[in-house]
Amino acid sequence: GAVVSQHPSWVICKSGTSVKIECRSLDFQATTMFWYRQFPKQSLMLMATSNEGSKATYEQGVEKDKFLINHASLTLSTLTVTSAHPEDSSFYICSARDPLPKNHQETQYFGPGTRLLVL
Amino acid sequence: KNQVEQSPQSLIILEGKNCTLQCNYTVSPFSNLRWYKQDTGRGPVSLTIMTFSENTKSNGRYTATLDADTKQSSLHITASQLSDSASYICVVTPPYGGSQGNLIFGKGTKLSVKP
Repeated sequence: GAVVSQHPSWVICKSGTSVKIECRSLDFQATTMFWYRQFPKQSLMLMATSNEGSKATYEQGVEKDKFLINHASLTLSTLTVTSAHPEDSSFYICSARDPLPKNHQETQYFGPGTRLLVL
Repeated sequence: KNQVEQSPQSLIILEGKNCTLQCNYTVSPFSNLRWYKQDTGRGPVSLTIMTFSENTKSNGRYTATLDADTKQSSLHITASQLSDSASYICVVTPPYGGSQGNLIFGKGTKLSVKP
């Protein structure tokens, strides 16, 4: 199946610093990528939708100035958590939509996630 | 009320046993219903995907069923293995239109398989 990678897989940072997380689609071009956040024992919560070459669409309650999203190419989207605080500690997962799926039904693939711990 | 409800919240079974996880949804119709397996600290991995008109879909020891009349889906795991220990998430995609990111997630069932 299609592969979506994330880097780094985990990161620990000090409060006030910025952290960048990369999401790559490895064997298809993703016109749309999605960023999710998952707190312990909770469902994945959609943060924003990232379309290549345009501004991201953020879900209600998600601060666009704090969570900067850049989708500069068809295979790469980045999420930057600016001025991170302990409450931003979470599991961040991206997914990528394959516009030309080999399997006509499966169109969205998830990355392995990035665990962020802000001290 | 969540649009996708899963039960049980957690389940412990012995290795080799079978189990069935439930998903009740209110989204109707929908584009597709998926079951994902999420290992601790990992992203979700797709197990099965069914359209509104499908009744069953298998993937190895995993078999998903769908009853559109009762708005229920189940995931049956046969001959469980220790590696089946994970969270299983039911996800419904609303009808076409709007962002494809607006998948509706259940909260998952945490399965623990003991030796």
